[in-house]
Amino acid sequence: GQQLNQSPQSMFIQEGEDVSMNCTSSSIFNTWLWYKQDPGEGPVLLIALYKAGELTSNGRLTAQFGITRKDSFLNISASIPSDVGIYFCAGTPYNQGGKLIFGQGTELSVKP
Amino acid sequence: DGGITQSPKYLFRKEGQNVTLSCEQNLNHDAMYWYRQDPGQGLRLIYYSQIVNDFQKGDIAEGYSVSREKKESFPLTVTSAQKNPTAFYLCASSTPGKLAKNIQYFGAGTRLSVL
Repeated sequence: GQQLNQSPQSMFIQEGEDVSMNCTSSSIFNTWLWYKQDPGEGPVLLIALYKAGELTSNGRLTAQFGITRKDSFLNISASIPSDVGIYFCAGTPYNQGGKLIFGQGTELSVKP
Repeated sequence: DGGITQSPKYLFRKEGQNVTLSCEQNLNHDAMYWYRQDPGQGLRLIYYSQIVNDFQKGDIAEGYSVSREKKESFPLTVTSAQKNPTAFYLCASSTPGKLAKNIQYFGAGTRLSVL
């Protein structure tokens, strides 16, 4: 099936550092979503993006819908220990209705 | 409280046994989904249903079955034909369409292990 390439796979950072992760696709997407998953729990939506070039913030999180509609990034500023978890990008491919395609996830570890 | 409830949280399956995972939502969403999550991988779609009494196979439907007799409920059966069922299973729901923007909301998951 269709794939999203999410990078990096994992990150080990110091508390207070900024974090950046991204997702790319070979085809056009209509929607980009960013989720966070805590261990043993379901993913929770962080940010939703719907227009090429759109830049949206949610507290210390900022995400952008790439202008080519084939990529998106998520930035976390001034990381704190509770930012630990797995971050997933997800997108709705052009002309594929309600299906969401997920990236492989970025596992974030924050050292206090 | 509105949300998606998955049960049980942990489930053990014996060789040759069918097991059923429950998913109930009170969000009045039309569409429901089942995903499988393995370590280090993204979520893979097993089955989805966009309306009651109708469902479609996802990318990895073999060895699984579903039903959608009620809007609120979308149970997943892991059959004995699924040879590698150990995984974390996630149920989601959404209201597809232009206005709803296709955001999927997830339950807390069921971890299935083989005895």
